[in-house]
Amino acid sequence: GENVEQHPSTLSVQEGDSAVIKCTYSDSASNYFPWYKQELGKRPQLIIDIRSNVGEKKDQRIAVTLNKTAKHFSLHITETQPEDSAVYFCAAPTGNQFYFGTGTSLTVIP
Amino acid sequence: ETGVTQTPRHLVMGMTNKKSLKCEQHLGHNAMYWYKQSAKKPLELMFVYNFKEQTENNSVPSRFSPECPNSSHLFLHLHTLQPEDSALYLCASSQDRTNYNEQFFGPGTRLTVL
Repeated sequence: GENVEQHPSTLSVQEGDSAVIKCTYSDSASNYFPWYKQELGKRPQLIIDIRSNVGEKKDQRIAVTLNKTAKHFSLHITETQPEDSAVYFCAAPTGNQFYFGTGTSLTVIP
Repeated sequence: ETGVTQTPRHLVMGMTNKKSLKCEQHLGHNAMYWYKQSAKKPLELMFVYNFKEQTENNSVPSRFSPECPNSSHLFLHLHTLQPEDSALYLCASSQDRTNYNEQFFGPGTRLTVL
């Protein structure tokens, strides 16, 4: 099955700085890569996703980049704000399965 | 946030108890999922239902028994659980089972097995 690795597991940044979270996957058949954000005590929610026919997608302060050759994709958050503090999960669905990474706990320090 | 609801939100049970978790979605979706979320582990997909039919069972122990009476409701029946089953159980739904669909999660049930 798919193996999704996510790094780092924890990340602290100063408000206004950028944050980058990276995921690698093993199944070359994977072609859809979503990112979910889970605030403390709340449910995971989709924040951005990318399909394999594009290399980058941006939505205001967040962006996702995909390198299919190297089998990795990254979440970029610019101009971080305290409300960005949460756990972020990548996923690499394949076949009938939805494989998630282990999560990155992001803390934005005011 | 009322798209996907779960009850109860918290549950404490002994190893010999029988209890059920309930999930309901009001989004008109056709696929529903049960996930287990434990500390420092990835979200683990347990069961998938598509148009009320179970399509995936990821080697989940038989002490967990899902039920999907219709596309809007999903249950997880619990029986003789172990302390290591303590976790947050999340229900999710999507338009259908294809992997390109966004998954909408419920708030979860925090389960503690004593």
